[in-house]
Amino acid sequence: GNSVTQMEGPVTLSEEAFLTINCTYTATGYPSLFWYVQYPGEGLQLLLKATKADDKGSNKGFEATYRKETTSFHLEKGSVQVSDSAVYFCALSGRAAGNKLTFGGGTRVLVKP
Amino acid sequence: DAGITQSPRHKVTETGTPVTLRCHQTENHRYMYWYRQDPGHGLRLIHYSYGVKDTDKGEVSDGYSVSRSKTEDFLLTLESATSSQTSVYFCAISEGLGGEETQYFGPGTRLLVL
Repeated sequence: GNSVTQMEGPVTLSEEAFLTINCTYTATGYPSLFWYVQYPGEGLQLLLKATKADDKGSNKGFEATYRKETTSFHLEKGSVQVSDSAVYFCALSGRAAGNKLTFGGGTRVLVKP
Repeated sequence: DAGITQSPRHKVTETGTPVTLRCHQTENHRYMYWYRQDPGHGLRLIHYSYGVKDTDKGEVSDGYSVSRSKTEDFLLTLESATSSQTSVYFCAISEGLGGEETQYFGPGTRLLVL
């Protein structure tokens, strides 16, 4: 079946540091890949997505590239802010009936001033 | 904002009591989903619906049932709540077609079973 593995946190950074959160997946066929973000006390928001190999998703300074050869979708941001403190979830949709999402366990990121 | 509301937003109940959570959407989406969020597990799919009266099980469906009698409402019922069902429950809808489907989530319901 499908699965998503992402690095465990928490990840603690200083403001303006570079952030990378690793995400790898196992899926049959050609899944779509997503990053969702959950700010404290809130629901999940779509951060970015990619639907085919070599696509790059980007939003709010975050980027992730769909790498089929390494089955990865790592999230990066060049200069984090305190407001980026949140939990980040990598997910895939296997495009099977129902377009169900499979999530990684989430990575908590804490950015200190 | 995909026009999704959930009610109640918080609930405390006792073991053995029935509980129903409601998800309401305003944009006529065909697909709706219920997930639970637990530390270390991300979100896991409980049930989903692909139309009125059309539902199917997800990864963690034991102890839960769902109903969808109207396009806009998707109900999740815990027939007899247990402490292991203490969790945060999220509803989602799916937008898009042809490989561009994307799920958007409601604000969540925090459930505590004592």
